[in-house]
Amino acid sequence: NAGVTQTPKFQVLKTGQSMTLQCAQDMNHNSMYWYRQDPGMGLRLIYYSASEGTTDKGEVPNGYNVSRLNKREFSLRLESAAPSQTSVYFCASRKPAEPQHFGDGTRLSIL
Amino acid sequence: GDSVTQMEGPVTLSEEAFLTINCTYTATGYPSLFWYVQYPGEGLQLLLKATKADDKGSNKGFEATYRKETTSFHLEKGSVQVSDSAVYFCALTSTGTASKLTFGTGTRLQVTL
Repeated sequence: NAGVTQTPKFQVLKTGQSMTLQCAQDMNHNSMYWYRQDPGMGLRLIYYSASEGTTDKGEVPNGYNVSRLNKREFSLRLESAAPSQTSVYFCASRKPAEPQHFGDGTRLSIL
Repeated sequence: GDSVTQMEGPVTLSEEAFLTINCTYTATGYPSLFWYVQYPGEGLQLLLKATKADDKGSNKGFEATYRKETTSFHLEKGSVQVSDSAVYFCALTSTGTASKLTFGTGTRLQVTL
């Protein structure tokens, strides 16, 4: 059982490049989430999708877009990467009344 | 808005020592409370949870009690092991927030022999 799978695991970009982070879950969960983790700041919610076909902004959505492609997949796109977006990105999913399950993260560096 | 405050780390303990990591929260309504653990290079794993006042969550020797009167959810373990070295996050979800998690900043625990 793979759970939540994120690709890639590592990526280095130059300022201004674009990039899509992929997330897929095989647990038939309705809700999916994207977080970023920065030192001393815990995890902050970027966007979430409560169900297939819906997406909503979280705490720090600026500079990002998302697509809920189907029930399994939820992608995060950086249209024009900036050094401030250097971070570790985590995808999570859940079903009602259950805790969130997390992927192993994507470590993104922007030069 | 909702917030979670954790004690700052790192916390360094000898093996078999007693562990307490403090967590307090601010939230509307009746939140559910969680402790997540992150081992090096990995994602977050749910360690334990409590969904109502006076509930005690427990797992792998760790415990935390939901204290509504003090708005706290402190993590404890009676005897830590080197393998417990990780970052621990306290988190909550409030009612009516689409189950969005609000995290504390994390506390790094290092256990030495």
